[in-house]
Amino acid sequence: QVQLVESGGGVVQPGRSLRVSCAASGFTFNMYGMHWVRQAPGKGLEWVVAISFHGEATYYADSVKGRFTISRDNSKNTLYLQMNSLRAEDTAVYYCAKEITPYTVTRGGFDHWGQGTLVTVSS
Amino acid sequence: QSVLTQPPSVSAAPGQKVTISCSGSNSNIGNNYASWYQHLPGTAPKLLIYDNNKRPSGIPDRFSGSKSGTSATLGITGLQTGDEADYYCATWDSSLSGRVFGGGTKVTVL
Repeated sequence: QVQLVESGGGVVQPGRSLRVSCAASGFTFNMYGMHWVRQAPGKGLEWVVAISFHGEATYYADSVKGRFTISRDNSKNTLYLQMNSLRAEDTAVYYCAKEITPYTVTRGGFDHWGQGTLVTVSS
Repeated sequence: QSVLTQPPSVSAAPGQKVTISCSGSNSNIGNNYASWYQHLPGTAPKLLIYDNNKRPSGIPDRFSGSKSGTSATLGITGLQTGDEADYYCATWDSSLSGRVFGGGTKVTVL
């Protein structure tokens, strides 16, 4: 069965960096685009970033462009999100999510999600 | 403020039907595929509908999706207390080069 397990969340001071990871299993990881989606306390879902199945194409929400970097290691079946220059408004539960349709990040939907990892940006 | 507009809340009695609208533009819903998610607090969101009207394996046919022009709609029939949750639409936005979510709709079973 498909499993996505996030790790690396925690409390970090404003302006500092944090990297979260998502370990994938139960499917052919290198066939699927992957995404990070977040939910701030009391807010709705916000798409953050996507990466193509081969890792050569990435797409970012304006709110994180230039500060966050998504990457993947298909040999380790792992997705990463490097978050730099963190702000209080980045405080959220971060979910990694898998595309239902292989070889795309622009259609379909997210059929499997991790349990989420909480990132708190606070001094 | 999301580029996709959903009503903040809808409600109906058990067994009844609700519909949730998701209004966008030609850069998103009008020329891309819509998906719908159910989200219960403290859990991971669940995909209900993808590619406008397809249901993933295991999603009952009480949930349906449709699209017309720049709007998408989620329908839930035979409403159950377990359907109380937040529901989100999403799609690709070609102008933003990214996915976008609607603001979410809270479904209440009276």
